[in-house]
Amino acid sequence: QKEVEQNSGPLSVPEGAIASLNCTYSDRGSQSFFWYRQYSGKSPELIMFIYSNGDKEDGRFTAQLNKASQYVSLLIRDSQPSDSATYLCAVGSGSARQLTFGSGTQLTVLP
Amino acid sequence: GAVVSQHPSRVICKSGTSVKIECRSLDFQATTMFWYRQFPKQSLMLMATSNEGSKATYEQGVEKDKFLINHASLTLSTLTVTSAHPEDSSFYICRSRREDMNTEAFFGQGTRLTVV
Repeated sequence: QKEVEQNSGPLSVPEGAIASLNCTYSDRGSQSFFWYRQYSGKSPELIMFIYSNGDKEDGRFTAQLNKASQYVSLLIRDSQPSDSATYLCAVGSGSARQLTFGSGTQLTVLP
Repeated sequence: GAVVSQHPSRVICKSGTSVKIECRSLDFQATTMFWYRQFPKQSLMLMATSNEGSKATYEQGVEKDKFLINHASLTLSTLTVTSAHPEDSSFYICRSRREDMNTEAFFGQGTRLTVV
């Protein structure tokens, strides 16, 4: 059974700090990795996707992938209170791109 | 950008009644639609995968006779919760996939179902 694990949190960081979110996955055949942000009562919003080992940066967000360790992370620099949300890690595999989601990490950025 | 429109956003129904949730792809053809359910403070659990013109594939433990999925066109997929019970109260979300794009961004807005 494919599993995606995240620390549920809550994770609290002060405004302006770096928030680090981590995710591990069990299926070595996984090909694609996604980070979503979900506000309470809303559907997930895609933040980043990464397919290859290494880092991928987009604005204040950096996704890091290490397939050997089956580990993917998301760094949020200069955290803002508006970043407070639940962050879902999702792992994709197969041609139909089914996604397996982690349980999410609740992030609170304190003003 | 591509948009998936999901309706209704909220619905309250009585036990024993049926509720239909619609997901429409507004500016692209959605050959595949994924239906998820999310309980409070839990992650998204895949219920079923539907492809246009064929029967949906249900995940283990999901009753296909209770959760009817229809994907009759490339722009519309529906989920009908039949004979709803309070334990069916949840957040239901659709996600569409475009064959010509390698991103998984196209979620519907979600439907909060409350069965009383």
